[in-house]
Amino acid sequence: AQTVTQSQPEMSVQEAETVTLSCTYDTSESDYYLFWYKQPPSRQMILVIRQEAYKQQNATENRFSVNFQKAAKSFSLKISDSQLGDAAMYFCAWSDSGTYKYIFGTGTRLKVLA
Amino acid sequence: DAGVTQSPTHLIKTRGQQVTLRCSPISGHKSVSWYQQVLGQGPQFIFQYYEKEERGRGNFPDRFSARQFPNYSSELNVNALLLGDSALYLCASSLVSLNTEAFFGQGTRLTVV
Repeated sequence: AQTVTQSQPEMSVQEAETVTLSCTYDTSESDYYLFWYKQPPSRQMILVIRQEAYKQQNATENRFSVNFQKAAKSFSLKISDSQLGDAAMYFCAWSDSGTYKYIFGTGTRLKVLA
Repeated sequence: DAGVTQSPTHLIKTRGQQVTLRCSPISGHKSVSWYQQVLGQGPQFIFQYYEKEERGRGNFPDRFSARQFPNYSSELNVNALLLGDSALYLCASSLVSLNTEAFFGQGTRLTVV
């Protein structure tokens, strides 16, 4: 069975600084997708970034980038120039290529300090 | 365009009662998924419906059921409520599969007393 592990329950970062959130996963699939979702206090999950496992190039979206290490089954999220609005729960998620479901990690609460 | 809408936003039920949660996907989206998010945990998959047919079911008891209507909206039903059913229930819609992008609603906060 696939599992997603986020080992950092909480992280803090100073405004304008850079922070990295960790995620590891376990799967025997060769074709899959990885995601980072943000859940602010409003509760709505918002897609931050998406990575296809077959792509070696790390995905980037503005201030957000990932470090995808397929052999190590690691998928970390780097947030550059952190802003107060980045404060939220961040969830790492896995899905397979023919998927109908996500497997989520337990989340990391990110605090941004002014 | 309206996003994924869920109703109600909050509700309180008594143990043993039944509840129906509703979800309207983004226009044009044919896939709807339901997740349960217990406080302090990540969302857990309950069901996915695509083109009105169940495509997948998570590890939840038969007290949980769902359906999708011709307009692609969906209902999640939970019978014989237990205290442990208290959670945020999230609905996600996507065009075809989750690999494109899934859009989530704001959820329904269910409290069972």
